[in-house]
Amino acid sequence: KNEVEQSPQNLTAQEGEFITINCSYSVGISALHWLQQHPGGGIVSLFMLSSGKKKHGRLIATINIQEKHSSLHITASHPRDSAVYICAVIPYGQNFVFGPGTRLSVLP
Amino acid sequence: DSGVTQTPKHLITATGQRVTLRCSPRSGDLSVYWYQQSLDQGLQFLIQYYNGEERAKGNILERFSAQQFPDLHSELNLSSLELGDSALYFCASSIREGLYGYTFGSGTRLTVV
Repeated sequence: KNEVEQSPQNLTAQEGEFITINCSYSVGISALHWLQQHPGGGIVSLFMLSSGKKKHGRLIATINIQEKHSSLHITASHPRDSAVYICAVIPYGQNFVFGPGTRLSVLP
Repeated sequence: DSGVTQTPKHLITATGQRVTLRCSPRSGDLSVYWYQQSLDQGLQFLIQYYNGEERAKGNILERFSAQQFPDLHSELNLSSLELGDSALYFCASSIREGLYGYTFGSGTRLTVV
């Protein structure tokens, strides 16, 4: 069983839709990151969370440490949001463990 | 531009060869991390340096080695290359040892033929 799981694996949405990507993990962590990987390959760190909720523009990330679960929400999705979204956890005393990614396509 | 510079962007080489990938961290960042992203394994942590010293090792093969120089740039050396080493290699940097203010480079795409 992978330490970090994401759902869905692939997601196609229409422009304007509200999108949710989920991440579940099985180990105790000190923090969790959401990363965005563009079609060209570049990776951008979107959020780092250790508790609660963070918002940046149309992106919202939440984490429930007790339930070992995090969600990334995109409001009013746009074709430029099309990318792979990767959940990465930091187990205590360790480095990143990455989820498999969720491939999002937003159609105009 | 993230501030983390990786060179070269693309590299094609033959099996058995040796290559060096270079990473210049964002100005002021002391930590450098190397990651490998292959089609079948996804992203995996390879190794971390902080201010010139190795701090953590992940799934790094013995054929691979890295170092961080006094000017804080880092090099990842891959030797006796195999077809399965074909992957995107990312470098990231952060100001401290912990994973805060984390910035990725654009990666080096290595193709072994």
